[in-house]
Amino acid sequence: DTEVTQTPKHLVMGMTNKKSLKCEQHMGHRAMYWYKQKAKKPPELMFVYSYEKLSINESVPSRFSPECPNSSLLNLHLHALQPEDSALYLCASSLTGDGTYEQYFGPGTRLTVT
Amino acid sequence: GQSLEQPSEVTAVEGAIVQINCTYQTSGFYGLSWYQQHDGGAPTFLSYNALDGLEETGRFSSFLSRSDSYGYLLLQELQMKDSASYFCAVRDQTGANNLFFGTGTRLTVIP
Repeated sequence: DTEVTQTPKHLVMGMTNKKSLKCEQHMGHRAMYWYKQKAKKPPELMFVYSYEKLSINESVPSRFSPECPNSSLLNLHLHALQPEDSALYLCASSLTGDGTYEQYFGPGTRLTVT
Repeated sequence: GQSLEQPSEVTAVEGAIVQINCTYQTSGFYGLSWYQQHDGGAPTFLSYNALDGLEETGRFSSFLSRSDSYGYLLLQELQMKDSASYFCAVRDQTGANNLFFGTGTRLTVIP
C-alpha cells in the first residue's frame, strides 16, 4: 500500500468556521508533511512531523494548527481563515524525516474560504 | 535562502524528446529531486540525483551538475499523458527531508 489518503476532497468554509483536514498513511512512514499549493505555483511546506513530533513550522499563521495523533494520522485544524488561505492542501509522508528523498503525496483537499 | 528556477512552459510534439532545466541556489545541497503533477492531481516522485551524472528510469532521465548548480529532466518518446507540471526540488539546508520546490514547468504535449 503506497497510498496517502486525504479527506475531505473539497471544503468550503466561512471565515468564522472551524474545520479539520485529515491525512492517513499505512506505509510505516515516520515523517509526515503539510503543504499549501496555490494555482500554478509550487507546493510550499507548512509543517513537518518526524516521529510524531513537530519539527518544522515554517512560520505559518496560528489559524492553522497541526496535530499528529499517531504515526499514521495527520490533522490540520483550521480556524478563522482568510480568503487568501484558499488553496490546495497537500499531505505527504516519507520513510523518515532525515536522509530520505522520496515523499508520497496525497490527492489534496481543495479549500475555499468565503 | 534557496531558489530554484525553471522555464514556466514548454511545448513538445508527441514522440519527441524534451529537456526541462533547473538551476538552483542553496546554501547546503543534498540532492535534486523531480516531481510530476497532473492538473488536479498529487505530485508524484520521478527521480533523485545526489551525485553528478545521469540517472535513467525508463523514458525519464535526470541529470545533475553540482559544480554548475544545474540539473535537468529528460523525457523521451513523449506521450500525451506526459502533459503535466514538473517541479525540481531540493532538500533544505539542514539536510532534513524538507523539500523546497522550484517554480515548476508546465509541459504540453501536442499531437
